[in-house]
Amino acid sequence: QLQLQESGPGLVKPSETLSLTCTVSGGSISSSSYYWGWIRQPPGKGLEWIGSIYYSGSTYYNPSLKSRVTISVDTSKNQFSLKLSSVTAADTAVYYCARLDTAMVHFDYWGQGTLVTVSS
Amino acid sequence: EIVLTQSPGTLSLSPGERATLSCRASQSVSSSYLAWYQQKPGQAPRLLIYGASSRATGIPDRFSGSGSGTDFTLTISRLEPEDFAVYYCQQYGSSPRGFTFGPGTKVDIK
Repeated sequence: QLQLQESGPGLVKPSETLSLTCTVSGGSISSSSYYWGWIRQPPGKGLEWIGSIYYSGSTYYNPSLKSRVTISVDTSKNQFSLKLSSVTAADTAVYYCARLDTAMVHFDYWGQGTLVTVSS
Repeated sequence: EIVLTQSPGTLSLSPGERATLSCRASQSVSSSYLAWYQQKPGQAPRLLIYGASSRATGIPDRFSGSGSGTDFTLTISRLEPEDFAVYYCQQYGSSPRGFTFGPGTKVDIK
């Protein structure tokens, strides 16, 4: 059974960089059938896609966040990571990692999510 | 960018009743690229429907999806107690390439 697990600091200071890692178990991140993605959800609000990455390192990002986002992959560790720079309180959210089915373009497996709070 | 609108914002129903949730897109969406998710408090979203009408693995057949173009519908034929949750639609677009989610419909107990 595929599992995804987010990890990283739960508290980040304003203007600093948020860094999270998603560890994939029960399957290979190097599968040609899938991309991998990050989605976030501010408290009490809806879902926002941040960006996605292929095992080769190919990426695409939400245009509204593109200038601040970097997503990378480490196939040797079966992990992919998110960096979001110059954070503000508006970046406070639960951050989810998920597997993206490239054929039908939907997110079929999700991590449990991790709350990141931006505060001094 | 394609914007998704969901209605109603909240749907108050009783167990056993039929729920009809709407997702409307600002531009035409390929049916292949429209999905629905269920989210319960404190949990990650769960994929229900992909390709507008295909149920994901393990999803009961009381859940069904339909629609095309700009209008899509999620129907729950008979609400079970575990179905009270928030439902989101999601689309994939190629220009610009990426995903957008609707604002969600909350189905709560009447």
